[in-house]
Amino acid sequence: DVKVTQSSRYLVKRTGEKVFLECVQDMDHENMFWYRQDPGLGLRLIYFSYDVKMKEKGDIPEGYSVSREKKERFSLILESASTNQTSMYLCASSSLLAGVEEQFFGPGTRLTVL
Amino acid sequence: AQKVTQAQTEISVVEKEDVTLDCVYETRDTTYYLFWYKQPPSGELVFLIRRNSFDEQNEISGRYSWNFQKSTSSFNFTITASQVVDSAVYFCALSPNFGNEKLTFGTGTRLTIIP
Repeated sequence: DVKVTQSSRYLVKRTGEKVFLECVQDMDHENMFWYRQDPGLGLRLIYFSYDVKMKEKGDIPEGYSVSREKKERFSLILESASTNQTSMYLCASSSLLAGVEEQFFGPGTRLTVL
Repeated sequence: AQKVTQAQTEISVVEKEDVTLDCVYETRDTTYYLFWYKQPPSGELVFLIRRNSFDEQNEISGRYSWNFQKSTSSFNFTITASQVVDSAVYFCALSPNFGNEKLTFGTGTRLTIIP
Protein backbone atom coordinates (compact mmCIF):
# COMPACT_ATOMS: atom_id res chain seq x y z
CA ASP A 1 0.00 0.00 0.00
CA VAL A 2 1.40 3.35 -1.02
CA LYS A 3 2.13 5.71 1.77
CA VAL A 4 2.99 9.28 2.62
CA THR A 5 3.73 9.77 6.29
CA GLN A 6 4.21 12.95 8.28
CA SER A 7 6.21 13.04 11.49
CA SER A 8 3.49 14.46 13.74
CA ARG A 9 -0.30 14.76 13.64
CA TYR A 10 -0.33 17.60 16.16
CA LEU A 11 2.40 20.04 17.10
CA VAL A 12 2.44 23.02 19.46
CA LYS A 13 5.30 25.52 19.26
CA ARG A 14 6.10 28.96 20.60
CA THR A 15 6.60 32.12 18.59
CA GLY A 16 10.16 32.42 17.37
CA GLU A 17 10.96 28.71 17.56
CA LYS A 18 12.48 26.89 14.60
CA VAL A 19 10.07 24.19 13.46
CA PHE A 20 10.73 21.15 11.29
CA LEU A 21 7.91 19.24 9.62
CA GLU A 22 9.01 15.96 8.08
CA CYS A 23 7.42 14.04 5.25
CA VAL A 24 8.42 10.61 3.96
CA GLN A 25 7.04 8.67 1.01
CA ASP A 26 7.73 5.05 0.14
CA MET A 27 6.68 5.12 -3.51
CA ASP A 28 9.96 6.32 -5.07
CA HIS A 29 8.14 9.40 -6.36
CA GLU A 30 10.29 12.17 -7.76
CA ASN A 31 7.82 15.00 -6.97
CA MET A 32 7.00 16.16 -3.47
CA PHE A 33 4.87 19.06 -2.27
CA TRP A 34 4.01 21.03 0.85
CA TYR A 35 0.60 22.69 1.18
CA ARG A 36 -1.10 24.52 4.00
CA GLN A 37 -4.83 24.30 4.52
CA ASP A 38 -6.83 27.07 6.15
CA PRO A 39 -10.61 27.44 6.52
CA GLY A 40 -12.11 29.34 3.62
CA LEU A 41 -8.83 29.32 1.70
CA GLY A 42 -8.53 25.69 0.66
CA LEU A 43 -5.06 24.26 0.10
CA ARG A 44 -2.25 26.55 -0.96
CA LEU A 45 1.10 25.40 -2.26
CA ILE A 46 4.12 26.47 -0.21
CA TYR A 47 7.04 24.70 -1.91
CA PHE A 48 7.60 21.74 -4.16
CA SER A 49 10.50 19.64 -5.36
CA TYR A 50 10.99 17.71 -8.59
CA ASP A 51 14.16 15.95 -7.53
CA VAL A 52 16.71 15.58 -4.77
CA LYS A 53 18.25 18.93 -3.79
CA MET A 54 15.84 20.78 -6.08
CA LYS A 55 13.14 23.10 -4.83
CA GLU A 56 10.67 25.55 -6.31
CA LYS A 57 8.59 28.22 -4.64
CA GLY A 58 4.87 27.76 -4.64
CA ASP A 59 2.24 30.41 -4.11
CA ILE A 60 3.00 31.29 -0.48
CA PRO A 61 6.70 30.57 0.29
CA GLU A 62 7.31 33.53 2.62
CA GLY A 63 8.42 32.47 6.07
CA TYR A 64 9.20 28.90 4.98
CA SER A 65 12.10 26.95 3.58
CA VAL A 66 12.48 23.32 2.52
CA SER A 67 15.10 20.63 2.30
CA ARG A 68 15.27 17.53 0.12
CA GLU A 69 18.48 15.61 0.75
CA LYS A 70 17.02 12.20 -0.05
CA LYS A 71 14.40 11.25 -2.61
CA GLU A 72 11.96 9.90 -0.06
CA ARG A 73 12.11 12.78 2.42
CA PHE A 74 10.93 16.37 2.09
CA SER A 75 11.20 18.70 5.07
CA LEU A 76 9.39 21.97 5.65
CA ILE A 77 11.17 24.45 7.90
CA LEU A 78 9.72 27.42 9.72
CA GLU A 79 12.83 29.43 10.57
CA SER A 80 11.06 31.56 13.20
CA ALA A 81 7.49 30.45 13.80
CA SER A 82 4.79 33.08 14.00
CA THR A 83 1.15 32.85 15.06
CA ASN A 84 -0.05 33.35 11.49
CA GLN A 85 1.63 30.06 10.60
CA THR A 86 -0.86 28.18 12.75
CA SER A 87 -2.43 25.87 10.19
CA MET A 88 -2.83 22.34 8.87
CA TYR A 89 0.18 21.31 6.78
CA LEU A 90 -0.20 18.62 4.15
CA CYS A 91 2.56 16.84 2.29
CA ALA A 92 2.02 15.10 -1.04
CA SER A 93 3.99 13.16 -3.62
CA SER A 94 3.52 12.23 -7.26
CA SER A 95 5.40 10.73 -10.16
CA LEU A 96 5.27 11.57 -13.83
CA LEU A 97 7.81 8.86 -14.60
CA ALA A 98 5.61 6.19 -13.01
CA GLY A 99 2.54 7.41 -14.87
CA VAL A 100 0.71 8.14 -11.66
CA GLU A 101 -2.48 10.10 -12.19
CA GLU A 102 -2.72 11.93 -8.92
CA GLN A 103 -0.88 13.34 -5.94
CA PHE A 104 -0.89 11.16 -2.84
CA PHE A 105 -1.38 13.02 0.41
CA GLY A 106 -0.20 12.42 3.94
CA PRO A 107 -2.51 12.68 6.98
CA GLY A 108 -1.45 16.25 7.76
CA THR A 109 0.20 18.00 10.69
CA ARG A 110 -1.89 20.47 12.64
CA LEU A 111 0.55 23.10 13.88
CA THR A 112 -0.37 25.59 16.58
CA VAL A 113 2.02 28.49 17.23
CA LEU A 114 1.43 30.21 20.57
CA ALA B 1 -2.73 32.48 -13.49
CA GLN B 2 -4.96 29.61 -12.59
CA LYS B 3 -8.01 29.79 -10.38
CA VAL B 4 -10.62 27.35 -9.10
CA THR B 5 -13.90 28.52 -7.61
CA GLN B 6 -16.17 26.43 -5.47
CA ALA B 7 -18.97 28.82 -4.64
CA GLN B 8 -20.81 26.42 -2.33
CA THR B 9 -19.15 26.63 1.07
CA GLU B 10 -21.48 24.19 2.83
CA ILE B 11 -24.28 21.91 1.65
CA SER B 12 -26.58 19.74 3.74
CA VAL B 13 -28.91 17.15 2.26
CA VAL B 14 -30.98 14.34 3.65
CA GLU B 15 -29.68 10.84 3.05
CA LYS B 16 -30.65 9.31 -0.32
CA GLU B 17 -31.03 12.71 -1.97
CA ASP B 18 -28.87 13.57 -4.96
CA VAL B 19 -26.42 16.45 -4.61
CA THR B 20 -24.25 18.35 -7.07
CA LEU B 21 -21.04 20.13 -6.12
CA ASP B 22 -20.04 22.95 -8.45
CA CYS B 23 -16.55 23.75 -9.69
CA VAL B 24 -15.60 26.57 -12.06
CA TYR B 25 -12.04 27.07 -13.21
CA GLU B 26 -9.90 29.63 -15.02
CA THR B 27 -6.74 28.90 -16.96
CA ARG B 28 -4.90 30.13 -20.04
CA ASP B 29 -3.36 26.74 -20.68
CA THR B 30 -4.70 24.70 -23.59
CA THR B 31 -3.72 21.48 -21.85
CA TYR B 32 -4.73 21.06 -18.26
CA TYR B 33 -6.13 18.54 -15.82
CA LEU B 34 -8.99 18.74 -13.37
CA PHE B 35 -9.30 16.75 -10.18
CA TRP B 36 -11.71 16.04 -7.36
CA TYR B 37 -10.47 15.05 -3.91
CA LYS B 38 -12.45 14.03 -0.84
CA GLN B 39 -11.31 14.93 2.67
CA PRO B 40 -13.17 12.89 5.29
CA PRO B 41 -13.06 13.84 8.98
CA SER B 42 -9.81 11.85 9.36
CA GLY B 43 -8.11 14.59 7.32
CA GLU B 44 -6.34 12.66 4.58
CA LEU B 45 -7.20 13.73 1.04
CA VAL B 46 -8.53 10.91 -1.11
CA PHE B 47 -8.25 11.11 -4.89
CA LEU B 48 -11.56 10.64 -6.72
CA ILE B 49 -10.98 11.50 -10.37
CA ARG B 50 -8.71 13.16 -12.93
CA ARG B 51 -9.96 14.51 -16.23
CA ASN B 52 -7.82 16.07 -18.99
CA SER B 53 -8.88 19.05 -21.05
CA PHE B 54 -9.25 17.02 -24.24
CA ASP B 55 -11.74 14.59 -22.82
CA GLU B 56 -15.18 16.07 -22.26
CA GLN B 57 -16.92 12.77 -21.80
CA ASN B 58 -18.90 12.51 -18.62
CA GLU B 59 -17.65 9.97 -16.14
CA ILE B 60 -19.69 7.70 -13.90
CA SER B 61 -18.32 5.59 -11.09
CA GLY B 62 -20.99 3.93 -9.02
CA ARG B 63 -22.98 6.67 -7.30
CA TYR B 64 -20.51 9.35 -8.42
CA SER B 65 -20.63 11.19 -11.72
CA TRP B 66 -18.74 14.12 -13.17
CA ASN B 67 -19.83 16.60 -15.81
CA PHE B 68 -17.01 18.44 -17.60
CA GLN B 69 -18.02 21.35 -19.85
CA LYS B 70 -15.23 23.39 -21.43
CA SER B 71 -17.73 25.90 -22.80
CA THR B 72 -18.62 26.99 -19.28
CA SER B 73 -15.25 26.08 -17.67
CA SER B 74 -17.00 23.83 -15.21
CA PHE B 75 -16.32 20.40 -13.76
CA ASN B 76 -19.26 19.50 -11.53
CA PHE B 77 -19.56 16.47 -9.30
CA THR B 78 -22.84 14.70 -8.53
CA ILE B 79 -23.48 12.13 -5.84
CA THR B 80 -26.59 10.06 -6.42
CA ALA B 81 -28.52 8.54 -3.52
CA SER B 82 -26.23 10.14 -0.96
CA GLN B 83 -25.09 8.24 2.13
CA VAL B 84 -23.80 9.38 5.50
CA VAL B 85 -20.32 8.17 4.54
CA ASP B 86 -20.29 10.81 1.82
CA SER B 87 -20.05 13.52 4.48
CA ALA B 88 -16.72 15.22 3.90
CA VAL B 89 -15.06 18.27 2.44
CA TYR B 90 -14.69 18.02 -1.32
CA PHE B 91 -12.02 19.88 -3.23
CA CYS B 92 -11.81 20.60 -6.92
CA ALA B 93 -8.30 21.25 -8.27
CA LEU B 94 -6.55 22.24 -11.49
CA SER B 95 -3.09 21.36 -12.80
CA PRO B 96 -1.21 22.32 -15.95
CA ASN B 97 0.50 19.93 -18.33
CA PHE B 98 0.82 16.39 -17.11
CA GLY B 99 -1.62 16.55 -14.30
CA ASN B 100 0.34 15.52 -11.26
CA GLU B 101 2.36 18.65 -10.93
CA LYS B 102 1.45 21.52 -8.69
CA LEU B 103 -2.25 21.77 -8.04
CA THR B 104 -4.38 24.85 -7.63
CA PHE B 105 -7.22 24.01 -5.28
CA GLY B 106 -10.62 25.53 -4.77
CA THR B 107 -11.70 26.49 -1.27
CA GLY B 108 -13.70 23.31 -0.82
CA THR B 109 -17.34 22.41 -0.20
CA ARG B 110 -18.32 20.85 3.13
CA LEU B 111 -21.02 18.28 2.46
CA THR B 112 -23.14 16.98 5.32
CA ILE B 113 -25.50 14.09 4.78
CA ILE B 114 -28.28 14.04 7.35
CA PRO B 115 -29.47 10.56 8.31
